[in-house]
Amino acid sequence: AQSVTQLGSHVSVSEGALVLLRCNYSSSVPPYLFWYVQYPNQGLQLLLKYTTGATLVKGINGFEAEFKKSETSFHLTKPSAHMSDAAEYFCAVSDRDYQLIWGAGTKLIIKP
Amino acid sequence: DGGITQSPKYLFRKEGQNVTLSCEQNLNHDAMYWYRQDPGQGLRLIYYSQIVNDFQKGDIAEGYSVSREKKESFPLTVTSAQKNPTAFYLCASSGTNPRQPQHFGDGTRLSIL
Repeated sequence: AQSVTQLGSHVSVSEGALVLLRCNYSSSVPPYLFWYVQYPNQGLQLLLKYTTGATLVKGINGFEAEFKKSETSFHLTKPSAHMSDAAEYFCAVSDRDYQLIWGAGTKLIIKP
Repeated sequence: DGGITQSPKYLFRKEGQNVTLSCEQNLNHDAMYWYRQDPGQGLRLIYYSQIVNDFQKGDIAEGYSVSREKKESFPLTVTSAQKNPTAFYLCASSGTNPRQPQHFGDGTRLSIL
């Protein structure tokens, strides 16, 4: 069965510092991978996705993620954190079905 | 603008009462989903539907029911059998290709009176 692990339920970084949110997955087939962001009391918004092709994927709000098959990882990064990045971030994976398997989420805290 | 509309934004349930959460989409998506979100637990799938007049149970379907009479609509009923209904409920939709992401509504927060 597929699974998604997000390391760290909370990650705290200073404004202007590098953001790194970790996501590891298990899948028996090449996966499709997604990162979503959720602001308080709102739905989820797609940040970026990997389906095929280039393994470095750029998304909205300056975020990017790199698919590393050998490490079964899809970590999310942003070079310089902004206060507006404070939110909860979810990694998800699908194989060939409609359903997404979700990570438990990581709350990103930005320190001024 | 195309999107997903959930209503109401806040809902209160009395003991023994059934309540229905609305979800409407105008994205022409075939697949629709209902998730429950509790603090620290991520998203858990309640029901999903890939086509009109058909739906499948997700991981936590007990105490919930759905219908899919129209492509655009996928209402969720929280029945009195659901003993712990307090949560944030999210509706989503997607195309039939698993490469396509799910699109979400803004959620309904359900509380017990």
